[in-house]
Amino acid sequence: DQQVKQNSPSLSVQEGRISILNCDYTNSMFDYFLWYKKYPAEGPTFLISISSIKDKNEDGRFTVFLNKSAKHLSLHIVPSQPGDSAVYFCAASVTGTYKYIFGTGTRLKVLA
Amino acid sequence: DTGVSQDPRHKITKRGQNVTFRCDPISEHNRLYWYRQTLGQGPEFLTYFQNEAQLEKSRLLSDRFSAERPKGSFSTLEIQRTEQGDSAMYLCASSPEDQGAGANVLTFGAGSRLTVL
Repeated sequence: DQQVKQNSPSLSVQEGRISILNCDYTNSMFDYFLWYKKYPAEGPTFLISISSIKDKNEDGRFTVFLNKSAKHLSLHIVPSQPGDSAVYFCAASVTGTYKYIFGTGTRLKVLA
Repeated sequence: DTGVSQDPRHKITKRGQNVTFRCDPISEHNRLYWYRQTLGQGPEFLTYFQNEAQLEKSRLLSDRFSAERPKGSFSTLEIQRTEQGDSAMYLCASSPEDQGAGANVLTFGAGSRLTVL
């Protein structure tokens, strides 16, 4: 049972354009969400988070949107840069459980 | 502090052998996690420690797997009688005790890649 789904395994975007990465979840108890970026041969690196009490959180070029009714979140990267090329994972948690459920990842390629 | 350290980075072993991985978390973090990642998948939760207490174990963690965190500092993950299906990246992460409601951001190490022949 895949509780967190990233249905697009890969995405290619031109440098300077917007990258939109999507994530869906099934467990309505999830109330905290994280996005991680992973380069080859490195561990995942935290990017941005959002709590279920918000519907948007912004940090520089990165914005995460949460639609609780649709159980959907998205990560927007504007403008995209070649250094953003990596695998992006969304993760969800229920506060107090300390366990994150990760999606399968989306490989983003930003073309120069 | 240089972050979460994992050792070894790569391990190749023959089926049936035992392997042990070590994780040194960020020193002020009292929470430590082990995850496993296989090709094309996201990290899967294995187990969680708060200080030296192992508070949660996934059913993925069969009886061949054991994790310890003596004295609440570094942690070890041992796999006994390895099988080819154990081949994966084993990721360790740590976090502080309380970052605010729901704000439990994990800092990951670079991982230990296991190949079982």
